[in-house]
Amino acid sequence: DTAVSQTPKYLVTQMGNDKSIKCEQNLGHDTMYWYKQDSKKFLKIMFSYNNKELIINETVPNRFSPKSPDKAHLNLHINSLELGDSAVYFCASSQDHFGYTFGSGTRLTVV
Amino acid sequence: GESVGLHLPTLSVQEGDNSIINCAYSNSASDYFIWYKQESGKGPQFIIDIRSNMDKRQGQRVTVLLNKTVKHLSLQIAATQPGDSAVYFCAEMSTGGFKTIFGAGTRLFVKA
Repeated sequence: DTAVSQTPKYLVTQMGNDKSIKCEQNLGHDTMYWYKQDSKKFLKIMFSYNNKELIINETVPNRFSPKSPDKAHLNLHINSLELGDSAVYFCASSQDHFGYTFGSGTRLTVV
Repeated sequence: GESVGLHLPTLSVQEGDNSIINCAYSNSASDYFIWYKQESGKGPQFIIDIRSNMDKRQGQRVTVLLNKTVKHLSLQIAATQPGDSAVYFCAEMSTGGFKTIFGAGTRLFVKA
């Protein structure tokens, strides 16, 4: 069983569209995260939820909205997609913030 | 501002040699450090961690060294293998904080 699974793996969409990326973890961890990795491999945190409560909200356009229906799921919805949103988005989970387990990533390409 | 950086963005080593990947951090309050390995097309994978009350920690073929005086972290890989080829990230966190800050990454090439 995959510990942290995110779907879809690839997402190609036009500018202006709205899309969602889903993430689920079966590790029983209490905290989940979304990271964005740019073309230079730099990883930057976007959001973090602890037991369904938002605890980190970095400077991210409000077109990005995370939703955590329960502590095993953290979804990312993006409105009005822009070219600059193209990146790989990683979901991760941890227990007490130590040692993340990452998903395999969603490569978003906005055309 | 806070930053976790790397001295060498690319490292090429011969199979069987030892590899050393270096990292500098600037946040004195950081007390937990982690190394991650990211293979092509995959997410980062936890390798080894170390807390600030230690200066060395060993795993299987990997050793992390922490020098708090100069805010330096290194990852040593013994007998490097082709499967070690990946991008390696150092990361830092302050206990009580909620986020891990990642460095820019070093790409390790292992030549057969």
